Amino acid sequence: DAGVTQSPTHLIKTRGQQVTLRCSPKSGHDTVSWYQQALGQGPQFIFQYYEEEERQRGNFPDRFSGHQFPNYSSELNVNALLLGDSALYLCASSLGLSEYLGNTIYFGEGSWLTVV
Amino acid sequence: AQRVTQPEKLLSVFKGAPVELKCNYSYSGSPELFWYVQYSRQRLQLLLRHISRESIKGFTADLNKGETSFHLKKPFAQEEDSAMYYCALGTGNQFYFGTGTSLTVIP
Repeated sequence: DAGVTQSPTHLIKTRGQQVTLRCSPKSGHDTVSWYQQALGQGPQFIFQYYEEEERQRGNFPDRFSGHQFPNYSSELNVNALLLGDSALYLCASSLGLSEYLGNTIYFGEGSWLTVV
Repeated sequence: AQRVTQPEKLLSVFKGAPVELKCNYSYSGSPELFWYVQYSRQRLQLLLRHISRESIKGFTADLNKGETSFHLKKPFAQEEDSAMYYCALGTGNQFYFGTGTSLTVIP
């Protein structure tokens, strides 16, 4: 079991462009959450997907959107990129909506996004 | 509002010395507290959670609701404990993370 896999691992985009990040959850998991981790900060919750719907959202603008597919994989889309969007984007998978079961939460290695 | 504070960005201790990583939280409900660890070039992983009251790799953490704290402790630090440690508050379906403490254990 490869656990949570994310792609790409690194990418560079220009201000104003759009980016799509991808996540495959751990086998057997059906819930995907996305976090943004800026340099020197802890991860910040962006949103969570379950049954192909956004179930909860953190304090992020509408430029951040997502999608979950029938195979539970997920995408994070960011439009009109700003320099401040440069960060590590983490995907976390779990089973069911009760994310705070602790040991059912698995994180991916993240996608490093640099906006220039 | 929910908030997690880790006052120390950097912490260095000698091997064999006790270590304590501080974490304070603010939350009006019943908290679920966790410690996550990130070793060099590895992904974020769960270290322990307060509801299980377990000891992992010699680390323990006690939830003190009066002081709203969940400090992580280990009586004898080892070199392999050097890592980034994040305290997290779980509420609803999301985590609130602190800014992390980078622990360095000096041989």
